[in-house]
Amino acid sequence: GAVVSQHPSWVICKSGTSVKIECRSLDFQATTMFWYRQFPKQSLMLMATSNEGSKATYEQGVEKDKFLINHASLTLSTLTVTSAHPEDSSFYICSARVIFETQYFGPGTRLLVL
Amino acid sequence: KNEVEQSPQNLTAQEGEFITINCSYSVGISALHWLQQHPGGGIVSLFMLSSGKKKHGRLIATINIQEKHSSLHITASHPRDSAVYICAVGADGLTFGKGTHLIIQP
Repeated sequence: GAVVSQHPSWVICKSGTSVKIECRSLDFQATTMFWYRQFPKQSLMLMATSNEGSKATYEQGVEKDKFLINHASLTLSTLTVTSAHPEDSSFYICSARVIFETQYFGPGTRLLVL
Repeated sequence: KNEVEQSPQNLTAQEGEFITINCSYSVGISALHWLQQHPGGGIVSLFMLSSGKKKHGRLIATINIQEKHSSLHITASHPRDSAVYICAVGADGLTFGKGTHLIIQP
């Protein structure tokens, strides 16, 4: 089946630093990638939708200048959390999709900002 | 914005039991997803459906578009089925239910 990888799986950083998370579709070309986050004991929430070669579409309440998304190819999207703060500590998960088909999820990245 | 409600929130059953998890949503959709999340956080897509019924192994998913309701059934449940089962709706970015925490005891 389709495989999506994320790197890193765990990251701990100091407040004020930037963190980049990569999402790769390993055996298929994804027309669209999605970024979600999940705070402890809460539902997953959509952050942004990313199409290759175009600007990401952010959900209401998600700061586009803080969460930079780059979708440079059909197999790679990156999420950069800029100037991370403790409240950004969360589980970030991406998914990738070929149009009209199901979404395939990455294993997720746990971010802890100290 | 679509509201997705799942029930039950928590479910503990004995191995071999037939399991049903329900999902209701408030706005008409083009697709509904059933997902499985394991303790480490990883998510597996179980089904995507827009009408009728789908079956994969011991898992069955049904959807009633008119009633805005879907069910996920597990037959002959096994301890390895223990996980969080999440209903999500949407054609693109998904809106998720809060999940059903399922524990199957041997």
